[in-house]
Amino acid sequence: GQNIDQPTEMTATEGAIVQINCTYQTSGFNGLFWYQQHAGEAPTFLSYNVLDGLEEKGRFSSFLSRSKGYSYLLLKELQMKDSASYLCAVLLLNNNAGNMLTFGGGTRLMVKP
Amino acid sequence: DTEVTQTPKHLVMGMTNKKSLKCEQHMGHRAMYWYKQKAKKPPELMFVYSYEKLSINESVPSRFSPECPNSSLLNLHLHALQPEDSALYLCASSPLRGGVFGANVLTFGAGSRLTVL
Repeated sequence: GQNIDQPTEMTATEGAIVQINCTYQTSGFNGLFWYQQHAGEAPTFLSYNVLDGLEEKGRFSSFLSRSKGYSYLLLKELQMKDSASYLCAVLLLNNNAGNMLTFGGGTRLMVKP
Repeated sequence: DTEVTQTPKHLVMGMTNKKSLKCEQHMGHRAMYWYKQKAKKPPELMFVYSYEKLSINESVPSRFSPECPNSSLLNLHLHALQPEDSALYLCASSPLRGGVFGANVLTFGAGSRLTVL
């Protein structure tokens, strides 16, 4: 089976830095995605890692260690609008049959003033 | 156009009704997906279509029937649903150029919130 774990909830202060961890044990790996989802809205793409290391995109960075089955999403200079669920997802299959994306349970981040 | 459009946004139906959810994209993506999301849970994959053909069915009950009339449209036909099928149904699409970074990003629609009475 597939196992993707992340904390259920986190709280942080506006302006601070928060790190959301994700560990995975899956049969197959073709990359790891992070999505942001505000309540009642569509998940929106944040980052994609397929090689070990850090990918930086503005206030958001994502890190991957394939040997450890570990990723994190780092959010800097937190803003109130960053309050949302953050979904870690592993790309299991990536061929002409489609992309099979399996999600972790999501981390609900609450940013306080 | 970089959006996936889903209709209706909200749907209430009885257990004997037949209804359909619709999804449309004009990004030239050749893979389209249906996901089901219960409250405070992650999206769960239901179906994948690639090149308008059903390629993945995650053991979904037959009361859910997908259809891909062309490369831009994806439907989900609903019949004899149960109250536990109430959920947010998300459609997504992606390119099918495997192995190229950025080619595999799924773009999601805002979802259709279904309530089965």
